[in-house]
Amino acid sequence: GQQLNQSPQSMFIQEGEDVSMNCTSSSIFNTWLWYKQEPGEGPVLLIALYKAGELTSNGRLTAQFGITRKDSFLNISASIPSDVGIYFCAGQKGEETSGSRLTFGEGTQLTVNP
Amino acid sequence: DVKVTQSSRYLVKRTGEKVFLECVQDMDHENMFWYRQDPGLGLRLIYFSYDVKMKEKGDIPEGYSVSREKKERFSLILESASTNQTSMYLCASSSGTGSYGYTFGSGTRLTVV
Repeated sequence: GQQLNQSPQSMFIQEGEDVSMNCTSSSIFNTWLWYKQEPGEGPVLLIALYKAGELTSNGRLTAQFGITRKDSFLNISASIPSDVGIYFCAGQKGEETSGSRLTFGEGTQLTVNP
Repeated sequence: DVKVTQSSRYLVKRTGEKVFLECVQDMDHENMFWYRQDPGLGLRLIYFSYDVKMKEKGDIPEGYSVSREKKERFSLILESASTNQTSMYLCASSSGTGSYGYTFGSGTRLTVV
């Protein structure tokens, strides 16, 4: 079942504000990924992290792979209305028996008020 | 543009009906997955497949079955639909070890009445 705890569950912010969300796990993951799902669509990959301590940016998005390999965070700077959606973290253990299976967090619903 | 295509965006079925949800990917991916998405519960894995004719149960397989006769197609079957299977269903695929993540379809919103 679910092993990732994602917080917060929802956020209501004003346009221009920065956003931070995080994901924690009781077990180690070798890859962390962050997805965004817009209304009526499937999730789309935003950022992938492959190494403990790695900090990666994609435009206004920045994500980090925690040193312990049990957590990750995503920051969005200077939010805009099109940032609205559900953000999911996902972890992959990379063990031979589980192959490419990802474990997902419960999601963070982001609302941006203009 | 590579994609995962789900055959229907919206479906309404009656309780007890047998329901087929189809998913096709054009990326020659080995791995395919079916998830259901419900508010507050995130994405829950129903079944997945690493190869043709191969399937493995995910976290919530009860009431579902799958079929993968060809590499590009992965079908989810609700043997006898029930109202608690009303949900958004998402198909995804990935290559090899999947370390580049999944590509998702746009989802099928199924309502069972």
